[in-house]
Amino acid sequence: DAGVIQSPRHEVTEMGQEVTLRCKPISGHDYLFWYRQTMMRGLELLIYFNNNVPIDDSGMPEDRFSAKMPNASFSTLKIQPSEPRDSAVYFCASSTSGRSTDTQYFGPGTRLTVL
Amino acid sequence: AQSVSQHNHHVILSEAASLELGCNYSYGGTVNLFWYVQYPGQHLQLLLKYFSGDPLFKGIKGFEAEFIKSKFSFNLRKPSVQWSDTAEYFCAVKLGAAGNKLTFGGGTRVLVKP
Repeated sequence: DAGVIQSPRHEVTEMGQEVTLRCKPISGHDYLFWYRQTMMRGLELLIYFNNNVPIDDSGMPEDRFSAKMPNASFSTLKIQPSEPRDSAVYFCASSTSGRSTDTQYFGPGTRLTVL
Repeated sequence: AQSVSQHNHHVILSEAASLELGCNYSYGGTVNLFWYVQYPGQHLQLLLKYFSGDPLFKGIKGFEAEFIKSKFSFNLRKPSVQWSDTAEYFCAVKLGAAGNKLTFGGGTRVLVKP
């Protein structure tokens, strides 16, 4: 199994530019999660999907952030326009179901730097 | 609001020393508890998880954890660390019997000196 795949691994962009982060969950997993990791705030859940449907987006910082999951094997997190404070590592994770005992499997992350 | 807190931000110790990392959560109901490890430059990996049974239990790589419900704590231990245990360790909690959102602690960076 390839695990959760994220691309790109590193992204450097300038303030005001649009950024799109991509995630491919583990095949057969029905839940997909987007997290952000910063020194100041640690790991925060941004949004999660069940069967491609967004269930809880209460962690999305503001309207500049949007996430989609057009099919079971692909999700995007978009920031438009990007700002320096968006610099962070963004992780995608997936799990087989929504049971509270299920393990979430994390991808390698995308390190975003906004200049 | 529910929260998860880890007592130490940084821990430095020598090889063969014992390690104990504290984690507390603030939630009075059912919880499922996880410890994740993030080695330098790598993604988070599950170290162990607990949802029922013996409150003192073992995970992978020689780690063990103890769940003390009365103290709302879930501490991670390793009797003898190795240099390869240098990593950041995250405690995480899912709240409620049907919870599927992980709430993470702030992490503890552990540096093991050879």
